[in-house]
Amino acid sequence: DTAVSQTPKYLVTQMGNDKSIKCEQNLGHDTMYWYKQDSKKFLKIMFSYNNKELIINETVPNRFSPKSPDKAHLNLHINSLELGDSAVYFCASGRGNQPQHFGDGTRLSIL
Amino acid sequence: GESVGLHLPTLSVQEGDNSIINCAYSNSASDYFIWYKQESGKGPQFIIDIRSNMDKRQGQRVTVLLNKTVKHLSLQIAATQPGDSAVYFCAESYNQGGKLIFGQGTELSVKP
Repeated sequence: DTAVSQTPKYLVTQMGNDKSIKCEQNLGHDTMYWYKQDSKKFLKIMFSYNNKELIINETVPNRFSPKSPDKAHLNLHINSLELGDSAVYFCASGRGNQPQHFGDGTRLSIL
Repeated sequence: GESVGLHLPTLSVQEGDNSIINCAYSNSASDYFIWYKQESGKGPQFIIDIRSNMDKRQGQRVTVLLNKTVKHLSLQIAATQPGDSAVYFCAESYNQGGKLIFGQGTELSVKP
């Protein structure tokens, strides 16, 4: 009965590779988000989708491409991975003026 | 005590004491504020929120205070327990439902 689930939990890959992280929410929320948490624990929003439509894009390199097949899913595809992409990526969902709910994160490590 | 710079600010309290975690927010137009708790290896977990038309809100063992004059938010935890040990984040939002802008985070350590 997990509310926001993302896979994989850990992702270790080499520089230059392309990878995807999947996110699903079963809360019936109409908005989903991707956040990046760096090594200093700083959390910053990357993207937001409302009902499959992109509404926030926070100057993220275009190597990052979110895809929302339906309003319960928001996947993150990353091309040509770089060392600086190493971080924990969190998916979240929300509705209107209610608190956002977060998944448990995907720890991405670039070798 | 507190430490700043490359490390997260830390707060160390004795079990049973009250904890106060402070946060300065950046946008005077923000109208929604929220506190999250993040345990190791987990995602941020909602604790309590407050809208800008209020200055205080209470939950179970937690109270959030909002001072819009000085753009300050605080989280008070009563009778702190070892299970409260985590990193606490404040976040602000303008036009509720939009993006959350997170503060730096404070690491709370509870000594038994």
